[in-house]
Amino acid sequence: EPEVTQTPSHQVTQMGQEVILRCVPISNHLYFYWYRQILGQKVEFLVSFYNNEISEKSEIFDDQFSVERPDGSNFTLKIRSTKLEDSAMYFCASRADRANTGELFFGEGSRLTVL
Amino acid sequence: QQQVKQSPQSLIVQKGGISIINCAYENTAFDYFPWYQQFPGKGPALLIAIRPDVSEKKEGRFTISFNKSAKQFSLHIMDSQPGDSATYFCAASGANNLFFGTGTRLTVIP
Repeated sequence: EPEVTQTPSHQVTQMGQEVILRCVPISNHLYFYWYRQILGQKVEFLVSFYNNEISEKSEIFDDQFSVERPDGSNFTLKIRSTKLEDSAMYFCASRADRANTGELFFGEGSRLTVL
Repeated sequence: QQQVKQSPQSLIVQKGGISIINCAYENTAFDYFPWYQQFPGKGPALLIAIRPDVSEKKEGRFTISFNKSAKQFSLHIMDSQPGDSATYFCAASGANNLFFGTGTRLTVIP
């Protein structure tokens, strides 16, 4: 069964460092997302991406964050200068179509710990 | 702004009992309402979903009830099993993204 894969599974970084989280969405999917989940809390939307550009972003997704689809398979989330409050589980997700008809498939997440 | 409100925060049910989780939304533009199940250390996985043109959808032991006028929907898990112990998130979909509720941690006691 096709799946969304994420790397690394866990990253520990010092405050102020740059972090890149990587995702490989399901191959025929067109819509890509990043969500985050602070431990034990709800899943929060960060950004959606379609046709090589951001479709929508939340208030959380400030100038410290960026996304990129550098090639045909990877979808990355970059945090430019990490803060302690960026510590969370980051989930990548993809969907085949847009019009609220399809399932959003999530990866297993990348746990980011900022010290 | 909390787009989707979910309750209860946690729920303990005996094996064989019925688990009920409730959600409410504000934005009438939402037109797709999935429930996701999350086990520890895993990403959320779609459990069941409903559109607002129907009032109920059933898949096995899982049923969604939807009340469009009240802007509320709920998940019922019949004959709850210990393997159902997980965190459940309701969600509502807008044009470009999915808004999640705060989650309900369900524990089914054998």
